[in-house]
Amino acid sequence: SQKIEQNSEALNIQEGKTATLTCNYTNYSPAYLQWYRQDPGRGPVFLLLIRENEKEKRKERLKVTFDTTLKQSLFHITASQPADSATYLCALLYSSASKIIFGSGTRLSIRP
Amino acid sequence: DTGVSQDPRHKITKRGQNVTFRCDPISEHNRLYWYRQTLGQGPEFLTYFQNEAQLEKSRLLSDRFSAERPKGSFSTLEIQRTEQGDSAMYLCASSLGPGSGANSYNEQFFGPGTRLTVL
Repeated sequence: SQKIEQNSEALNIQEGKTATLTCNYTNYSPAYLQWYRQDPGRGPVFLLLIRENEKEKRKERLKVTFDTTLKQSLFHITASQPADSATYLCALLYSSASKIIFGSGTRLSIRP
Repeated sequence: DTGVSQDPRHKITKRGQNVTFRCDPISEHNRLYWYRQTLGQGPEFLTYFQNEAQLEKSRLLSDRFSAERPKGSFSTLEIQRTEQGDSAMYLCASSLGPGSGANSYNEQFFGPGTRLTVL
């Protein structure tokens, strides 16, 4: 079965720095890879989607890369702010509008 | 607020009791998904619907679990004879489906979840 590994420990960085989160998966590559943000006690919120034939996608301070050879996605938040503190989930979809396979998430803390 | 809503937000029950949760998706979304999340883990897929048709069920969905979406709008998830291991956050999400004419049908919108505690 598919396994997804995200940074196993929480990530603590200084405000203003770039946060980089890692998502590694096994087996075959998904058609779509997504990143979600989740705050305590709330449902996940969609951030970005990247397709298997895309290398990079950007949205404001967010950047996602997708390397199907390495079976890895990197998620970057530039100019990080304390409000970016949350758990970030990597998610795989193997077909359109299908079920999502989530990683366990990485807890990110941005200190002022 | 026109997002996904779930009811109740919290449910405490005794082992062996039956519980039912409700999810109201975004009105124009024809796909509806159920996930379960335990502490420190990402959500795990349970089942999903295209309109009223249940298209896929996870092996996690034992025969004590049943989900319905009778009119293709709201959905219910019932757990019979609850066990302590059923304690978790139950999340509902909705999305547009392929063929909807939109490009954003892979974006799932999640509700706030129902937190179940089985004593």
